[in-house]
Amino acid sequence: DVKVTQSSRYLVKRTGEKVFLECVQDMDHENMFWYRQDPGLGLRLIYFSYDVKMKEKGDIPEGYSVSREKKERFSLILESASTNQTSMYLCASSFETGGAGGYTFGSGTRLTVV
Amino acid sequence: QKEVEQNSGPLSVPEGAIASLNCTYSDRGSQSFFWYRQYSGKSPELIMSIYSNGDKEDGRFTAQLNKASQYVSLLIRDSQPSDSATYLCAVNKPGGYNKLIFGAGTRLAVHP
Repeated sequence: DVKVTQSSRYLVKRTGEKVFLECVQDMDHENMFWYRQDPGLGLRLIYFSYDVKMKEKGDIPEGYSVSREKKERFSLILESASTNQTSMYLCASSFETGGAGGYTFGSGTRLTVV
Repeated sequence: QKEVEQNSGPLSVPEGAIASLNCTYSDRGSQSFFWYRQYSGKSPELIMSIYSNGDKEDGRFTAQLNKASQYVSLLIRDSQPSDSATYLCAVNKPGGYNKLIFGAGTRLAVHP
């Protein structure tokens, strides 16, 4: 089974801190994604990457950046954390392009910014 | 109009009944459709995928797709309390890179 591992299950950070969320997958998937999930709003795509060092903005990239230096690792960076970034963050990966494959999700990181 | 719409529920069904979950989508170019189950506090888990019109069955789950009506549904037969979860519909966004657009989810409650 594909495993997608997110480094932290729960995080509490202060406003203005730089926050790193790490995600690692072990099945050589090309595509990796970062979503946030909020009640009533569902899953919203922040950034995705289709190859090493390649990245594309999703629907809500403001306040975030990403890094993909190695194929298996995709990091989400909150440059200066704000309280409105309190959310559940989900990393996902897939190997199919063109929409043919579903995602495998990590277990999620619940981030609270105080 | 949202790209993927689902009734938020809760949908309450008795144990043993059929639960019917519905989803509509706006982009006629979408070709791949998925259902995810998400238990409270957990991450989504893929349970069904469907790519062509008609029905696809897997155990107690049946996915139905009607591209002309831009409608996809999930039927759960013999519903169990362990099926109580939020079900997310996901649709691929045409244009490559396998981007999925998710609905906000329908909460299903199966009561004994």
